[in-house]
Amino acid sequence: EIVMTQSPATLSVSPGERATLSCRPSQSVSTNLAWYQQKPGQAPRLLIYGASIRATGIPARFSGSGSRTEFTLTISSLQSEDFAVYYCQQYNNWPAYTFGQGTKLEIK
Amino acid sequence: QITLKESGPTLVKPTQTLTLTCTFSGFSLSTSGVGVGWIRQPPGKALEWLALLYWDDDKRYSPSLKSRLTITKDTSKNQVVLTMTNMDPVDTATYYCAHLMIASRGVIIPFDYWGQGTLVTVSS
Repeated sequence: EIVMTQSPATLSVSPGERATLSCRPSQSVSTNLAWYQQKPGQAPRLLIYGASIRATGIPARFSGSGSRTEFTLTISSLQSEDFAVYYCQQYNNWPAYTFGQGTKLEIK
Repeated sequence: QITLKESGPTLVKPTQTLTLTCTFSGFSLSTSGVGVGWIRQPPGKALEWLALLYWDDDKRYSPSLKSRLTITKDTSKNQVVLTMTNMDPVDTATYYCAHLMIASRGVIIPFDYWGQGTLVTVSS
């Protein structure tokens, strides 16, 4: 089973600055990788799929990149509503749709 | 407009079987490319994918939980049911169902719509 490693566990960034989150699968997942945002008490929200395709209604400040075993989620200019936990998920290797352990993005 | 909602018991005893129902609207599970999955999240912990059911009745399960899980659908009622046997306190979590789509050219759009989740506590 693929292990998804997200780093850092916690990221402290000031509003208006750029945030860069990392996700590393233990083996290649091609570009079958998604990113989700989750706020306290809410269900996750799909941000990015196919490693770099923004989901419907997601602002352009969110971008994804990478392939195989190295992926990055970048938030170009942090807004107050962006502080949340972010999860990556691979959907390349059946039968598991494995999630990472999450990165908490907090206000610096 | 796609919506999903989970329902089921909020409290189960150890060794009991949990049955959760996902009732959805805005799509049909008889439409090619559509799937519904279940994901759970223990309090304060990460998401864990459990199972996935496709429009053609193809079913996939988490390898670590496969022996305990069963996923079924009732297309006429727009429902997907997940059963989990032999519940244990470590299974205490919020359980979510979510919509998935295989779009044109085989592009998978995973879990783009989610239910609000239902908290299940396992305790005697």
